[in-house]
Parts: sequence; C-alpha cells; structure tokens
Amino acid sequence: GQQVMQIPQYQHVQEGEDFTTYCNSSTTLSNIQWYKQRPGGHPVFLIQLVKSGEVKKQKRLTFQFGEAKKNSSLHITATQTTDVGTYFCVTNFGNEKLTFGTGTRLTIIP
Amino acid sequence: DTAVSQTPKYLVTQMGNDKSIKCEQNLGHDTMYWYKQDSKKFLKIMFSYNNKELIINETVPNRFSPKSPDKAHLNLHINSLELGDSAVYFCASSSMADTEAFFGQGTRLTVV
Repeated sequence: GQQVMQIPQYQHVQEGEDFTTYCNSSTTLSNIQWYKQRPGGHPVFLIQLVKSGEVKKQKRLTFQFGEAKKNSSLHITATQTTDVGTYFCVTNFGNEKLTFGTGTRLTIIP
Repeated sequence: DTAVSQTPKYLVTQMGNDKSIKCEQNLGHDTMYWYKQDSKKFLKIMFSYNNKELIINETVPNRFSPKSPDKAHLNLHINSLELGDSAVYFCASSSMADTEAFFGQGTRLTVV
C-alpha cells in the first residue's frame, strides 16, 4: 500500500542542538501535514503544506515541502525540553485516508 | 469544552470479552476516524466515516465493528478480544480528509 517513510526513527539531541526529521513518499503528494505527539498524549496538528517548494515557519520550527511534492522536512532550531515527542508527517494520498508516516521520536538531553 | 472526547481512557479486560469505546466530536465535522497505535508508536488507520457512512475499512478483522449513530459520534465495538488488540485507540475528526484532524485523548486497551 501507499506509505510515507520518515527518518530517523529516533533522535537524541543535547538541549540547544538542532533537529531535523525527513518524510519521503514514492508518489506525488497533494499535501502534507505535520503532527506532534507528546509522550502519553495524542497527535496535535502543527501545520499543512500544499504548494511545491513551500516553506513555512513557526517560531523555531521550519517546515518544507519538496519541489516534486514527494518529500518534506521539519527542522527545529535550538531544541528545548518542551520539543520532546514524536513527530509525524501525514498525508491523504488524495483520498479519505489520512496516512501517518512512521514517526520520529525526539528525546532531549538536558 | 473538549473537541473530540473518547471514553473510557483506560480499559483492562480479559481475552474473549466484548468491549466498546465511545467517541464524540462537537466540531461539526463530517469525517471521523479510528486509529490504532501499537507499542512502537505506529499509527494505523482502521476506519474512516463521512457523514455516518463508512468510507475506509482498512483490513481490520471483522471483530471490530464501528457504528456511527450520527455524524458527531463514532463508536468502536470489539468482539472476542485478543491479546494482540492491546494498543492505544484514537478517535479523530476533520471537516474534510485534507484538513486538520483533531484527536481524542486516546483509549489504552489492555487485554490480559
């Protein structure tokens, strides 16, 4: 079936370091969403990207959608302990099915 | 006011039992979902409903039966529970499939 792969699966960073997670699809995506799930919590929507090459920023978070609309990335500058959690890219492949990527679990070393 | 609410939050039950999880959204959304999150944190879609109609049934055993009495509710009934059903189940809703989805708090199901 259609899948969205994310790398890395796990990332441990020192507080203050940067963090990036990548999302890849073998098919062109109509849009990509990003969600964050804190430990013990539920997924929470962060942002949606629609246009080829789109870049959006939310404070220390930068989201990119690839030119070919097959990949996306989330970059966090100067991580803080509040950034801990699992980050998922999500797409619907043009149908009613919201498909989650495999997720990247971020842990912060204080 | 909670946008998407699920009950119960925790459910511990024995193999072979039947149980239900309830979900309600007060956002006026047309689309509702059930997801299963396993111990490795993978989130897999189980069902998608649009305006009370089943849209997606993602190769889920027929022991799992969703029911949508109206577009604000999507309940999940599970028959003959098995050990492998232990997971966190999330309900979610969105206005359309390509818009922001709102998730419930999750139901941690443990089958012993």
